[in-house]
Amino acid sequence: ETGVTQTPRHLVMGMTNKKSLKCEQHLGHNAMYWYKQSAKKPLELMFVYSLEERVENNSVPSRFSPECPNSSHLFLHLHTLQPEDSALYLCASSRQDGLGEQYFGPGTRLTVT
Amino acid sequence: AQTVTQSQPEMSVQEAETVTLSCTYDTSESDYYLFWYKQPPSRQMILVIRQEAYKQQNATENRFSVNFQKAAKSFSLKISDSQLGDAAMYFCAPLHTGANSKLTFGKGITLSVRP
Repeated sequence: ETGVTQTPRHLVMGMTNKKSLKCEQHLGHNAMYWYKQSAKKPLELMFVYSLEERVENNSVPSRFSPECPNSSHLFLHLHTLQPEDSALYLCASSRQDGLGEQYFGPGTRLTVT
Repeated sequence: AQTVTQSQPEMSVQEAETVTLSCTYDTSESDYYLFWYKQPPSRQMILVIRQEAYKQQNATENRFSVNFQKAAKSFSLKISDSQLGDAAMYFCAPLHTGANSKLTFGKGITLSVRP
């Protein structure tokens, strides 16, 4: 069983579309994270959830809306995105927020047209 | 706030040889973790090795080992007996302990392995 899974792996959407990215972890962790990885830039932390509560929101535009219904699942809802939002979106989890290593999913490659 | 410097954007190594990837960081914390992650062309971010700052002994994981110099805030990764599958982007990432801490990534080093 893969530790952290993400779906879809690839997504192409228009600027007026609404879509969602899904992340699921099978590691029994209590913290989950969304990162954005753009070309030529370091990974950017977007959101942190600890025990299903959002504890970090790094000045992310409101067109990105996270949801954490339980400690195993994390969603990123997307609406009215811009072409510059095209990137690799990575989900990660850890035992606790700020404690120990994070394990990453394979990412969703998002292209906004 | 933490900053991470990986000054070598690209490196190359001959298969079966040894290579060292450099990383320096800046933190005001005394208790933290340090990680090296590997991101191959598949884009999956894979944990390579971890080091707790309070431990003086350098971490080792099979062919991977670190040289941790706490006073110098240096955390280099040595890959021995390099294999073609080691070709990837490598990221150094410190994490201070406690709630609301952030895993801070460097810009990464692209390692190529020559057959």
